[in-house]
Amino acid sequence: NAGVTQTPKFQVLKTGQSMTLQCAQDMNHNSMYWYRQDPGMGLRLIYYSASEGTTDKGEVPNGYNVSRLNKREFSLRLESAAPSQTSVYFCASSGTVLGGTGANVLTFGAGSRLTVL
Amino acid sequence: GEDVEQSLFLSVREGDSSVINCTYTDSSSTYLYWYKQEPGAGLQLLTYIFSNMDMKQDQRLTVLLNKKDKHLSLRIADTQTGDSAIYFCADRTSGGSYIPTFGRGTSLIVHP
Repeated sequence: NAGVTQTPKFQVLKTGQSMTLQCAQDMNHNSMYWYRQDPGMGLRLIYYSASEGTTDKGEVPNGYNVSRLNKREFSLRLESAAPSQTSVYFCASSGTVLGGTGANVLTFGAGSRLTVL
Repeated sequence: GEDVEQSLFLSVREGDSSVINCTYTDSSSTYLYWYKQEPGAGLQLLTYIFSNMDMKQDQRLTVLLNKKDKHLSLRIADTQTGDSAIYFCADRTSGGSYIPTFGRGTSLIVHP
């Protein structure tokens, strides 16, 4: 019953440090996503991956990089963290393929709370 | 561009009905969703409705869709303190990206 697993759950960084958020899903889903959640802003899409080997920018990609390591894993990297990247980050996955007509229901991880000082 | 709007807060008394409203701008929306986020957790799908439906009911939850006005609502009957959470409306359009667009979320506060 793991679903989508994110690590770490909490992290504090200093400005300029780098780190990688890890995400893995065990549902054999094709698509994976990274969102950030800020108070009053809702969810904003950072990057997504429609299938293994492909990644695309979302609404707020600046300052981030991603890697779709295999079908299960999708990581988010902050090369030089800034205080504006303080947020809660959510990874999600879904079974819908690009161009598919299904409901595309997303399954979310529990979130990673990142503070940049 | 595409936009999904919700009010930020709703406060109700335990046992009352709650109605959370959402408006969207894209008339080509095919699926509309309600997700729930409990404190400290990720989002979980509550329900979704296909655009050719007007209503969907699931136990205490009733979803109403008015396509003409581009308005979606979620009614929770007999609201309980355990229903306190943030509720997100989202839509998916028929063209372009298959990724749902989320509203900012409505914080539902249930008073005993």
